[in-house]
Amino acid sequence: QKEVEQDPGPLSVPEGAIVSLNCTYSNSAFQYFMWYRQYSRKGPELLMYTYSSGNKEDGRFTAQVDKSSKYISLFIRDSQPSDSATYLCAMRSSGGSQGNLIFGKGTKLSVKP
Amino acid sequence: GAVVSQHPSRVICKSGTSVKIECRSLDFQATTMFWYRQFPKKSLMLMATSNEGSKATYEQGVEKDKFLINHASLTLSTLTVTSAHPEDSSFYICSASFAGDQPQHFGDGTRLSIL
Repeated sequence: QKEVEQDPGPLSVPEGAIVSLNCTYSNSAFQYFMWYRQYSRKGPELLMYTYSSGNKEDGRFTAQVDKSSKYISLFIRDSQPSDSATYLCAMRSSGGSQGNLIFGKGTKLSVKP
Repeated sequence: GAVVSQHPSRVICKSGTSVKIECRSLDFQATTMFWYRQFPKKSLMLMATSNEGSKATYEQGVEKDKFLINHASLTLSTLTVTSAHPEDSSFYICSASFAGDQPQHFGDGTRLSIL
């Protein structure tokens, strides 16, 4: 079993839809959870950063962490064509090197006008 | 805040050339910088971790003599691909973090093409 599983998609939605992106993981030691957005030929851009379980909201984006289920989600409300990108989840345990950041393979999202 | 600048964004050069890529944290001091490689439609693969003033730590399978990393200051790390060959063609991305618990912030990557 891979440490982090993420459906690569592609996921295609109409403009204005609510998008749900998810990752599951197997390592119960993970404490820090991130979502990055990566446009084609660009570096990843940090969208959300959460510690341990719970919800975090920032504008149209909501991140949820359920450590009991080892499941994290990113919701995008009122999706826009500019949200079309690949979304990467990433996570790591506390302590140790930050280099131990484990990425999902990314979900490619396309928002159609 | 937390802007990381990477330069150049695109390099095309002949086989055997050495190529240097710069990574700068513009508005914060980065205690640690990271270098990744990304293949098409794949996720990021960590190559090495560098801390200011000390030798970089390379991941298993990454040739340290091939990929030279220097982290001379808290705002600058460089990756030099020595004697590059076509198989070194890839998308190289750096990231930086300013504290142990803070997330990594990424540069926009360098697309390296070796002819």
